[in-house]
Amino acid sequence: DQQVKQNSPSLSVQEGRISILNCDYTNSMFDYFLWYKKYPAEGPTFLISISSIKDKNEDGRFTVFLNKSAKHLSLHIVPSQPGDSAVYFCAASVGSSNTGKLIFGQGTTLQVKP
Amino acid sequence: NAGVTQTPKFRVLKTGQSMTLLCAQDMNHEYMYWYRQDPGMGLRLIHYSVGEGTTAKGEVPDGYNVSRLKKQNFLLGLESAAPSQTSVYFCASSYALGSGRIYNEQFFGPGTRLTVL
Repeated sequence: DQQVKQNSPSLSVQEGRISILNCDYTNSMFDYFLWYKKYPAEGPTFLISISSIKDKNEDGRFTVFLNKSAKHLSLHIVPSQPGDSAVYFCAASVGSSNTGKLIFGQGTTLQVKP
Repeated sequence: NAGVTQTPKFRVLKTGQSMTLLCAQDMNHEYMYWYRQDPGMGLRLIHYSVGEGTTAKGEVPDGYNVSRLKKQNFLLGLESAAPSQTSVYFCASSYALGSGRIYNEQFFGPGTRLTVL
């Protein structure tokens, strides 16, 4: 049973446009959500996160939105740049477990065309 | 400051062989994790450790064992490799939780690509 789902395996956008990556979850106990970015032959790197007490978090060109009632989060990249081309994973955690364990989605491959 | 390092980077095994993957971190992190990444499956947690001498099972622990004898090292063992264990393995580490903090960023190593024939 996939608790965190990214239903779009790939996304292609033009440079300068907005990229929107989506993620759905089923476990209402999740209280912290993160996005990781992964380039080929490298490990994932942390991008941005959001606590369940917020509905938006912004960091430069990256904004994460959380809709708890819909159990949905999204990552907006504006403007998109060719260097943003990578695999993006959303992940969720139950903070009260005190283990830091993450449940990852399947990933979405973003291609930003010049 | 090397961060999280993994040894080896690549390995090919025959079915039934054993091997150990080594993860080392120099950030004094309490928590360490082993994940595997397979196409279309994302990253799945194999085992994790919340401190030296402690280990626990993750989502997909079968066929793997781990040890955390030193705080900076987390070893993943395959006793009898199977083709289903062909994957890319990632180690990660983070600071401990507590004092009202519910999450700390996990730092990942570069991965080990394992093929089992």
